[in-house]
Amino acid sequence: RKEVEQDPGPFNVPEGATVAFNCTYSNSASQSFFWYRQDCRKEPKLLMSVYSSGNEDGRFTAQLNRASQYISLLIRDSKLSDSATYLCAVRDNYGQNFVFGPGTRLSVLP
Amino acid sequence: GAVVSQHPSWVICKSGTSVKIECRSLDFQATTMFWYRQFPKQSLMLMATSNEGSKATYEQGVEKDKFLINHASLTLSTLTVTSAHPEDSSFYICSAAGTGGLGTQYFGPGTRLTVL
Repeated sequence: RKEVEQDPGPFNVPEGATVAFNCTYSNSASQSFFWYRQDCRKEPKLLMSVYSSGNEDGRFTAQLNRASQYISLLIRDSKLSDSATYLCAVRDNYGQNFVFGPGTRLSVLP
Repeated sequence: GAVVSQHPSWVICKSGTSVKIECRSLDFQATTMFWYRQFPKQSLMLMATSNEGSKATYEQGVEKDKFLINHASLTLSTLTVTSAHPEDSSFYICSAAGTGGLGTQYFGPGTRLTVL
């Protein structure tokens, strides 16, 4: 089993739709969690960190479920500019193990 | 967010030559730097993790003698692809992480290597 797994995608949604991505991790020692977005032929950019109590940044909401070892990202009112690959990442407490998921590609269609 | 630069952004070289890629953290001290490789339409693949002043830790299947990593200071790490071959053509991305906060990784813009 891979350390970090994500929805296989791709997700094709119309503008204005709400879309949710899930990510599961196998290392129970994971302490820090992140969502990145990566545009085609570009480097990943940090979208948001994920806090234990869940957090929201505009149209984006991240949730963490430690018991089930998964994190989620919800995008509301999706825009064309949200089209990208979304990567989740987890890091253990010692900082030596930072693992990315394979990514889920999102295409928002007009 | 923090700024990480990478140089060069794009390089074409002949088979058999060596290519050095620099990764710099511009506004914070990076205790750890990571080197990734990404082939088209595939996910990031971690190649190695380097801590300042110590030898890099390579992922399984990555040849340490072919991909030389030097992390001489808290702001600079280099990756040298030695005797490059066409199959080494890829997008190489570095990232840097400090010790503060959640230890977020910040990525450089990547280097696109094409070996002829």
